[in-house]
Amino acid sequence: EAGVAQSPRYKIIEKRQSVAFWCNPISGHATLYWYQQILGQGPKLLIQFQNNGVVDDSQLPKDRFSAERLKGVDSTLKIQPAKLEDSAVYLCASSFRGLGNTIYFGEGSWLTVV
Amino acid sequence: QKEVEQNSGPLSVPEGAIASLNCTYSDRGSQSFFWYRQYSGKSPELIMSIYSNGDKEDGRFTAQLNKASQYVSLLIRDSQPSDSATYLCAASPSYYGNNRLAFGKGNQVVVIP
Repeated sequence: EAGVAQSPRYKIIEKRQSVAFWCNPISGHATLYWYQQILGQGPKLLIQFQNNGVVDDSQLPKDRFSAERLKGVDSTLKIQPAKLEDSAVYLCASSFRGLGNTIYFGEGSWLTVV
Repeated sequence: QKEVEQNSGPLSVPEGAIASLNCTYSDRGSQSFFWYRQYSGKSPELIMSIYSNGDKEDGRFTAQLNKASQYVSLLIRDSQPSDSATYLCAASPSYYGNNRLAFGKGNQVVVIP
């Protein structure tokens, strides 16, 4: 079974530039998550989708971050404009349904803002 | 106050010994608790889940939950070099745990051969 796919794996941008990350969840997984993990910290949930709908985006900095999940499958996370403190690994994860199932993480997209 | 706290520093244990990790959480409404293992440069992977008070054993891993004390722990018996990783504690307000999962910062474990 293919895992959660993310791209790009690595990205270096200058502050105030924009960046987009793409995620393809495990086939059949209705729930998709974006987490931000800053070095030395645990992952922080940015946004959770159930199919096309947003379940939780309370920790998403909406002035600069946006995310969408078209057709309930792939998702894109965008940052515009980027700040130095956005340097982190952006982890996409998915689970079969919202409840009672293991969350599987992708390998992450490493962002460095200089 | 962070939702999930893991305060102890890196833990070094000799091969074959028991590694003990602790975690506290602030939200009394938390229902589900998890331990994830994260190797350096890799993504987290689930190793244990626990939903009710007491102990839960899976192979060399034992998770312990005490909701009254808002405390979760993980024991790794017969530690192996392959257990060297960061262990993340996580909690969720939903019973089955996939909503609003909050992670601690992690504890690094180093198993010395």
